[in-house]
Amino acid sequence: NAGVMQNPRHLVRRRGQEARLRCSPMKGHSHVYWYRQLPEEGLKFMVYLQKENIIDESGMPKERFSAEFPKEGPSILRIQQVVRGDSAAYFCASSQNQGLGQPQHFGDGTRLSIL
Amino acid sequence: SQELEQSPQSLIVQEGKNLTINCTSSKTLYGLYWYKQKYGEGLIFLMMLQKGGEEKSHEKITAKLDEKKQQSSLHITASQPSHAGIYLCGADGQIQGAQKLVFGQGTRLTINP
Repeated sequence: NAGVMQNPRHLVRRRGQEARLRCSPMKGHSHVYWYRQLPEEGLKFMVYLQKENIIDESGMPKERFSAEFPKEGPSILRIQQVVRGDSAAYFCASSQNQGLGQPQHFGDGTRLSIL
Repeated sequence: SQELEQSPQSLIVQEGKNLTINCTSSKTLYGLYWYKQKYGEGLIFLMMLQKGGEEKSHEKITAKLDEKKQQSSLHITASQPSHAGIYLCGADGQIQGAQKLVFGQGTRLTINP
């Protein structure tokens, strides 16, 4: 019974490159959430998606960041033209439904380092 | 917007001792979640509380939500090295349930042998 799978675990990019982070939710889960954990800061919500729909992207920077959760395949968080300040741990979580009493289960994260 | 304050920020205890971590919300909690994070790893779901006065236990960890639903505590009995890590409380700010969780800043627990 696989949990939330994220890859890669570590990603190094140079300034200006693109970063793609992948997340496969737990089996049977159709709700995906992305969070960012900056060094010495807490975990902050970025975006909430269901299959083929962005439900809430209020925590996502307006520029350079995008997310998708296609009908087939993993959810992707894409960061274009990365800058040093994008260095962080990015966590994906999934839940079976949306509603009270539905805990989110987290992956091990992708640690993004920008040179 | 909802904010969660955790105390203490860090805690060092002798193996075998009991300890308590607190999580206080600026608004009513409709769902309160406790997670544990080990360095370099993801969050492990521990427990979820929804009702005022609710208490849940798993092995040596007990979590409570107060009657007013604005404060939760996590209590570990007879701590072991395996309990070391960062404990995070997360909350639903909406009655509709989990969409975006708001997290506290975490409590770093160290267990000395």
